[in-house]
Amino acid sequence: DSGVTQTPKHLITATGQRVTLRCSPRSGDLSVYWYQQSLDQGLQFLIQYYNGEERAKGNILERFSAQQFPDLHSELNLSSLELGDSALYFCASSVSGRETQYFGPGTRLLVL
Amino acid sequence: QKEVEQDPGPLSVPEGAIVSLNCTYSNSAFQYFMWYRQYSRKGPELLMYTYSSGNKEDGRFTAQVDKSSKYISLFIRDSQPSDSATYLCAMTYLIQGAQKLVFGQGTRLTINP
Repeated sequence: DSGVTQTPKHLITATGQRVTLRCSPRSGDLSVYWYQQSLDQGLQFLIQYYNGEERAKGNILERFSAQQFPDLHSELNLSSLELGDSALYFCASSVSGRETQYFGPGTRLLVL
Repeated sequence: QKEVEQDPGPLSVPEGAIVSLNCTYSNSAFQYFMWYRQYSRKGPELLMYTYSSGNKEDGRFTAQVDKSSKYISLFIRDSQPSDSATYLCAMTYLIQGAQKLVFGQGTRLTINP
């Protein structure tokens, strides 16, 4: 158990809908990262937050957004969902953004 | 060209065999090198972490980095069925104070009893 928690574990929704994925980092970690993992693309970095502020952006679509709250938990919002958004979404955390990242168990999203 | 290349396998070996997993990379800026293990339907779990060329050993696992050739390897000795998982290499460097972590595609490994 990495200490990173994610909810929900599974999510099934329809195209065009909007969903919110939630992540709680390890105790003491200030930095949160979001990743998307699909069969054909592997693990792709989406976005990083550090202590409430956006730190780095990766291959995140404009339909996706994220935020980190004062209690350091983070949410990833996915809107106007398409079939191709079906994937595993992982959250990871690290102490300050320069150390090893520890991954949560992931949220499996299925868009029908 | 991808920044990190990893043979996706699948790789299937008998129990007790020595396993060699490899990644190559193109970006000289990578400073830290990691291996993650991911069991089916689970999050990646950090296995090994190193930042210098050479070997680092941890039990049955040895991570090897050759910065001059831009090549990293993970060796598993006396492989066990419980080692069956997908192994992801990952590399990182700092850019504008933020860590950029890039993963390989992952190699799916099966150890047969």
